[in-house]
Amino acid sequence: QKEVEQNSGPLSVPEGAIASLNCTYSDRGSQSFFWYRQYSGKSPELIMSIYSNGDKEDGRFTAQLNKASQYVSLLIRDSQPSDSATYLCAVLSGNTGKLIFGQGTTLQVKP
Amino acid sequence: SAVISQKPSRDICQRGTSLTIQCQVDSQVTMMFWYRQQPGQSLTLIATANQGSEATYESGFVIDKFPISRPNLTFSTLTVSNMSPEDSSIYLCSARGQEQFFGPGTRLTVL
Repeated sequence: QKEVEQNSGPLSVPEGAIASLNCTYSDRGSQSFFWYRQYSGKSPELIMSIYSNGDKEDGRFTAQLNKASQYVSLLIRDSQPSDSATYLCAVLSGNTGKLIFGQGTTLQVKP
Repeated sequence: SAVISQKPSRDICQRGTSLTIQCQVDSQVTMMFWYRQQPGQSLTLIATANQGSEATYESGFVIDKFPISRPNLTFSTLTVSNMSPEDSSIYLCSARGQEQFFGPGTRLTVL
């Protein structure tokens, strides 16, 4: 089992729809969770961090965390073509203190 | 958020040569890291750059091939030594305070 798992996609949604990106992790000791956005040819950009169970909203982005289910998700409302990118889920390992990345989900928002 | 710069942004090198990549952070950070990212792949951690001491390398990466320096809290270098075409990749510097950020990357091509 991979430490952080994501569906690689591509996930295709029409413009204006809600995009839902999911991530599961194996380290129960993890306390910090992050979503990075990476455009083709660019470096990862931190867009959301979440540390407590529940939802955290920032503009069109909502991160959701369920530690009991070891599950973290990212919702993008009113998706725009500019949201088309690869989204990386990252979990800070409670054991090693290192950031563990998933393989990334490619999102395509079609006009 | 920390602003991270890297030099060079890209380079084309001959087999058997070495390249040193520089990373500068605009503020003091607790941890600095070096990652590699192959096309279409997620991030692979090479090592943690420790200030004033030897870097901590991940499995599969060794100091002779990837010597790293971190003379102070805001600067680090990664050298890719005795390069082969398999070293062609994007190399990313990363820094962590409460959250972890990435530099723009160095795109290395080895002929």
